[in-house]
Amino acid sequence: GENVEQHPSTLSVQEGDSAVIKCTYSDSASNYFPWYKQELGKRPQLIIDIRSNVGEKKDQRIAVTLNKTAKHFSLHITETQPEDSAVYFCAAAKRGGGADGLTFGKGTHLIIQP
Amino acid sequence: DGGITQSPKYLFRKEGQNVTLSCEQNLNHDAMYWYRQDPGQGLRLIYYSQIVNDFQKGDIAEGYSVSREKKESFPLTVTSAQKNPTAFYLCASREGQGGDTEAFFGQGTRLTVV
Repeated sequence: GENVEQHPSTLSVQEGDSAVIKCTYSDSASNYFPWYKQELGKRPQLIIDIRSNVGEKKDQRIAVTLNKTAKHFSLHITETQPEDSAVYFCAAAKRGGGADGLTFGKGTHLIIQP
Repeated sequence: DGGITQSPKYLFRKEGQNVTLSCEQNLNHDAMYWYRQDPGQGLRLIYYSQIVNDFQKGDIAEGYSVSREKKESFPLTVTSAQKNPTAFYLCASREGQGGDTEAFFGQGTRLTVV
């Protein structure tokens, strides 16, 4: 089955700086890569996703890049703000994979220092 | 509010008791999932269902049971056989059979053994 590794487990950055979280996956058939943000005690919510037919996607201060050859994808947050503090999860999925088609990384706790 | 509702938000269980966590969705999604979340462990899959009257074990199904009698409902029972049930439980649903579609999460139930 799919295996998703996520690094780092904790990331502390100064407010206004950029943050980068990296994930690798093992199944070359995976073609959907979502990122979820979870604030303390709340539900995970999708913030951005990318499919394998593109290499990069941006949404304001958030961007995701995908390298299918190397089987890794990254989340980039620019101009970080206090409200960006949360746990971020990456995931990998493939069409027709059923439940096995959505595998999560273990999460990154992002801390924005004022 | 997101279309998927879990109840209760907090639940306390005595040793040796079974408890049932509720999950209801009005998104008309076929696929529903139960995850367990522990600090530093990410989201681990307990059970999933892709269609009414059918469900499959996930990675950590021991000590848990589910039913899927209606499309909109997927309750999880934590049995006395689950030796360490204290955790945050998340229910999710996805369109179709899953695959490359977004997962929508409920707000979670925090279960504590007392």
